[in-house]
Amino acid sequence: AQTVTQSQPEMSVQEAETVTLSCTYDTSENNYYLFWYKQPPSRQMILVIRQEAYKQQNATENRFSVNFQKAAKSFSLKISDSQLGDTAMYFCAFITPFSGGSNYKLTFGKGTLLTVNP
Amino acid sequence: DTAVSQTPKYLVTQMGNDKSIKCEQNLGHDTMYWYKQDSKKFLKIMFSYNNKELIINETVPNRFSPKSPDKAHLNLHINSLELGDSAVYFCATAGAQETQYFGPGTRLLVL
Repeated sequence: AQTVTQSQPEMSVQEAETVTLSCTYDTSENNYYLFWYKQPPSRQMILVIRQEAYKQQNATENRFSVNFQKAAKSFSLKISDSQLGDTAMYFCAFITPFSGGSNYKLTFGKGTLLTVNP
Repeated sequence: DTAVSQTPKYLVTQMGNDKSIKCEQNLGHDTMYWYKQDSKKFLKIMFSYNNKELIINETVPNRFSPKSPDKAHLNLHINSLELGDSAVYFCATAGAQETQYFGPGTRLLVL
């Protein structure tokens, strides 16, 4: 079974500081895609960042970057210069598109609630 | 234009009723999904359709029946609603590099 584990149910950070959210996953596939989604109080699911497993270079999107360790099956999200608008639930997810069938789906972690304090 | 839209946004109903949630996407994607987010915020896939064909049915009770009249629409009909059906339901589509784009969600409350 494919699983995603986010070991930090809640985290808080001061505005302008840096915070790292952890995520580990389990799959027997070699090719897959990893994602971080953000869900603010508005409940909209917003894509934060994406990483292809075959790429060694870590993905970066402005203040958001990942530390992808394929051998360790670890995919952490770093948020630099945290802003109040970053307060949200953050979900780690992955999909294995090449296995097909019932595995062709996003598997989510349980989420980390991040609060940015002024 | 909203890429993935859902109606209604809120739905309050009595146990035993039948209700539908509609989803429409204008991204031209072939694959659409329904997810359920429970009270603990856990997101789980319910169904997946590819070009109107059912691909995934994740052991969802048969009171839930998805219908895809065309590639741009995936509706969810729920019969005999139960208290445990209360949740937020998200529609999503899959685009390039397997990125999924979500609708705004429908909050269903069964009384």
